[in-house]
Amino acid sequence: DAKTTQPNSMESNEEEPVHLPCNHSTISGTDYIHWYRQLPSQGPEYVIHGLTSNVNNRMASLAIAEDRKSSTLILHRATLRDAAVYYCILRLAISGNTPLVFGKGTRLSVIA
Amino acid sequence: DARVTQTPRHKVTEMGQEVTMRCQPILGHNTVFWYRQTMMQGLELLAYFRNRAPLDDSGMPKDRFSAEMPDATLATLKIQPSEPRDSAVYFCASALRGGETQYFGPGTRLLVL
Repeated sequence: DAKTTQPNSMESNEEEPVHLPCNHSTISGTDYIHWYRQLPSQGPEYVIHGLTSNVNNRMASLAIAEDRKSSTLILHRATLRDAAVYYCILRLAISGNTPLVFGKGTRLSVIA
Repeated sequence: DARVTQTPRHKVTEMGQEVTMRCQPILGHNTVFWYRQTMMQGLELLAYFRNRAPLDDSGMPKDRFSAEMPDATLATLKIQPSEPRDSAVYFCASALRGGETQYFGPGTRLLVL
């Protein structure tokens, strides 16, 4: 699997937007970009995924660079409940639900 | 609200004892994963099943770990004998046929003394 690079930690003020970066310079044309997050004392949960176009859902937005070598997860208004470790993961488009390969992720702290 | 359930949520045991962890995947999901999380190694795959058949268990120490799916509603992970280095949080996840999302359970926090 292609590798991703994320900052170890980030901090945000409550109710402000958060931009979580992910670099994946060795991404292949068939890799989807997935984001999961892990809240304290819980299992990981799916956030969003995309291939080339920017994606929006009720939890977040995913902005993908034109060359696909980087992406940014955007939380539009951070709340205290968004404090978690965020994982950026690449998966083959035809993976058919193969295992996720987790890196160290970015630990997001949200300050009230 | 369908969820993956895991039991027990916490387990403290002594070295050498057998440990059994159970997972109930979301009804209708045909793929089940076992992951382990430690501070040092992070989240790593132990094994996974599709349609109850094991597809990959290369992440498990074969001499002491075993994973099975007796039926479509139950997955088990056993450690015998347990060792202190097995102390970790064990997560089960399930996924729907053809789906891209994995749904994780709350985990079993294991402490081997």
